[in-house]
Amino acid sequence: SQELEQSPQSLIVQEGKNLTINCTSSKTLYGLYWYKQKYGEGLIFLMMLQKGGEEKSHEKITAKLDEKKQQSSLHITASQPSHAGIYLCGAPSVQGAQKLVFGQGTRLTINP
Amino acid sequence: GAGVSQSPSNKVTEKGKDVELRCDPISGHTALYWYRQSLGQGLEFLIYFQGNSAPDKSGLPSDRFSAERTGGSVSTLTIQRTQQEDSAVYLCASSRDSTSNQPQHFGDGTRLSIL
Repeated sequence: SQELEQSPQSLIVQEGKNLTINCTSSKTLYGLYWYKQKYGEGLIFLMMLQKGGEEKSHEKITAKLDEKKQQSSLHITASQPSHAGIYLCGAPSVQGAQKLVFGQGTRLTINP
Repeated sequence: GAGVSQSPSNKVTEKGKDVELRCDPISGHTALYWYRQSLGQGLEFLIYFQGNSAPDKSGLPSDRFSAERTGGSVSTLTIQRTQQEDSAVYLCASSRDSTSNQPQHFGDGTRLSIL
């Protein structure tokens, strides 16, 4: 079955620094979703990538999908305290499936 | 409503009791999903409803778990004879439909604690 591995598991960066989180799939990716979660809250949808080579940006967050490497990366530029939280990648378990499998999450801490 | 609404936000119950968790999806969304998030297992799919189609129950961990979606809107997840390993955050999500280009939007979850 599809498995997603995120790296790093946790990340501490100084405010203003750039950072990258990776999500690697054990099988072919048929789309990739990025979510952010804060403690005690649900998942907030960030971005959806559907095609190899696709890149999307929202404010200071950019996500890319590399189909050949079966990998997606999430890059944050000039990090802010509001970026702190847990970032999760999710993908359809098989092509056309509605149920998602998720990585274990990356806990991001921003130090002032 | 503006977002996915779940109730209760927290539930503490004794082992062996039955619990019902409620999910009110975003208005107009025809697809509804239940997931479970626990420390050891991460975020796991439980069940998925799409319109009037038969639900995909492939993620339900045992026959103690069941879910209904009445009138194509509100859904209830029921856990019978709760066990301590059922302790987790239960998250509900909805999407406009079941096509692959529709993101799932999540509620804040119900934190279930079994004593």
